[in-house]
Amino acid sequence: QKEVEQNSGPLSVPEGAIASLNCTYSDRVSQSFFWYRQYSGKSPELIMSIYSNGDKEDGRFTAQLNKASQYVSLLIRDSQPSDSATYLCAVGRVTGGGNKLTFGTGTQLKVEL
Amino acid sequence: KAGVTQTPRYLIKTRGQQVTLSCSPISGHRSVSWYQQTPGQGLQFLFEYFSETQRNKGNFPGRFSGRQFSNSRSEMNVSTLELGDSALYLCASSLRSAQDTQYFGPGTRLTVL
Repeated sequence: QKEVEQNSGPLSVPEGAIASLNCTYSDRVSQSFFWYRQYSGKSPELIMSIYSNGDKEDGRFTAQLNKASQYVSLLIRDSQPSDSATYLCAVGRVTGGGNKLTFGTGTQLKVEL
Repeated sequence: KAGVTQTPRYLIKTRGQQVTLSCSPISGHRSVSWYQQTPGQGLQFLFEYFSETQRNKGNFPGRFSGRQFSNSRSEMNVSTLELGDSALYLCASSLRSAQDTQYFGPGTRLTVL
């Protein structure tokens, strides 16, 4: 079982729709959760961070965390063509050797006109 | 505030050679993490440095090594290059630990021929 799992996609949504991206993780002691966006040929850029159960909203983006189910999601409202990118879920935890951030392989989102 | 910088941006090497990549973190950030990104494996954690000490290491062979200087700048070295080392190498900095929000540099694209 991978430490962080995402559906690779592509996930296609029409412009203006809600895009829902999902991520599951295996380590119950994980403490921090991040969503990054990566455009083709570019480096990842942070969209949201979430540390507590529940929802966190920032503009058109909402991150949802459920530690009991080991599940974190990202909702993008009013999707725009500029949202077309790969979305990476990252999970942080303390390990014996220090701190570690583990990334999923990413979900490719395509927003169609 | 200037972002994370990485040099060089592109490198072409041949098998058996060695390479050194450099990363300058955001001013005030003390934690530097390195990742390898390939199409098949996604973002894989190499190691994290804090105050000139390696705090955590991913599952890579000993050919991959790194260090951090007193000004928080970091270098990673890959010796005896293999074709499979061709990848985008990303450096990310954060305030204290890899669990804090990480900000990525533009990456170094390494091609091994």
